[in-house]
Amino acid sequence: KAGVTQTPRYLIKTRGQQVTLSCSPISGHRSVSWYQQTPGQGLQFLFEYFSETQRNKGNFPGRFSGRQFSNSRSEMNVSTLELGDSALYLCASSLGLLGPKASYEQYFGPGTRLTVT
Amino acid sequence: AQSVTQLDSQVPVFEEAPVELRCNYSSSVSVYLFWYVQYPNQGLQLLLKYLSGSTLVKSINGFEAEFNKSQTSFHLRKPSVHISDTAEYFCAVSERWGGTALIFGKGTTLSVSS
Repeated sequence: KAGVTQTPRYLIKTRGQQVTLSCSPISGHRSVSWYQQTPGQGLQFLFEYFSETQRNKGNFPGRFSGRQFSNSRSEMNVSTLELGDSALYLCASSLGLLGPKASYEQYFGPGTRLTVT
Repeated sequence: AQSVTQLDSQVPVFEEAPVELRCNYSSSVSVYLFWYVQYPNQGLQLLLKYLSGSTLVKSINGFEAEFNKSQTSFHLRKPSVHISDTAEYFCAVSERWGGTALIFGKGTTLSVSS
């Protein structure tokens, strides 16, 4: 079974630009979550999509947005980039089921390293 | 809201020594608990999890963690570490019935030397 893929793996952008990152989950997984990893703040949850609907949202400004397509692939967009947006962006896929019989296992992709100059 | 505190940012140990990585959490609702590991230049991998049942959970590579509800802790232990265990370890919580969002601690870097 193929793992979670993220494209591109590396990206360099300039302040004020916008960027779109892509995540393809494991086949059959309906949930995709996005995380930002920085040396200072660590791993922070951005948002989760399940069956094309945003199910959860972290504490990030509105410049960060996402969407999920019918094939469960997800994109994350950051508008008006700031230097502080430089980070490793990780996506994680899971079946997305909740409740006592769910596994809650998430599988992470390798990440997209975004550098804002 | 939930929060996770990993009490040690770095833990250096010698090979074959025991190790404990500490994790405490705070939450007003019931949570699930996880340990993830990140090897150098690799993505995150689930090491073990506590959802319900026995409070002692074990991984296939010798790690174990015990959920202590009264102390709101989920410490990770291994009786004898190997060089290959060198990695960053993250403790995380997820709210029951609140989706699969993970709240992570800041991480503990385990450095195993010979």
